[in-house]
Amino acid sequence: GAGVSQSPSNKVTEKGKDVELRCDPISGHTALYWYRQSLGQGLEFLIYFQGNSAPDKSGLPSDRFSAERTGGSVSTLTIQRTQQEDSAVYLCASSLVFYEQYFGPGTRLTVT
Amino acid sequence: GQQLNQSPQSMFIQEGEDVSMNCTSSSIFNTWLWYKQEPGEGPVLLIALYKAGELTSNGRLTAQFGITRKDSFLNISASIPSDVGIYFCAGLNDYKLSFGAGTTVTVRA
Repeated sequence: GAGVSQSPSNKVTEKGKDVELRCDPISGHTALYWYRQSLGQGLEFLIYFQGNSAPDKSGLPSDRFSAERTGGSVSTLTIQRTQQEDSAVYLCASSLVFYEQYFGPGTRLTVT
Repeated sequence: GQQLNQSPQSMFIQEGEDVSMNCTSSSIFNTWLWYKQEPGEGPVLLIALYKAGELTSNGRLTAQFGITRKDSFLNISASIPSDVGIYFCAGLNDYKLSFGAGTTVTVRA
């Protein structure tokens, strides 16, 4: 079946611009996660959605970052007024059970 | 977040060799997982460990969940070229995964 998909695969933006990253989870998966992976680093938790519950936003690095999940499916991660340190690969994952998180291919964001 | 120390950072191995990597943490985790990531892709789950002391195999991969719940190792036996990639350990508590920085494996043919 179809896995987690993310778009765009690559995004280059100028410092100060806003960007939106999209995640389409696996159909039927109730949980959705966003992670950030900087060069040579492991993944850093950003935000977690579970069904209709309030999301866990504790990993968002600043108030320039926000995310929403519409209809319990597609999620959008928005970064406002991008900075160069925001450059990273942003990964989305979905799961039915916590320990089986399936990852998308990621969006590589470059802020110039 | 919680820090996992993964070693080695990188390794060059000869095809056919067995390799080992490990992960330690100052925190206890309920579940340990090992992922592999290839260029341009997201991490793929290789092995999940649910009980302290558990030893689990998946083909040529073997992983153990440390008895203290603060460490885990992954072994790859008889390495082949397609084993190339970055291997990440991850600890899971509730729904949050904490990742190690990864071990980059390069195989010499």
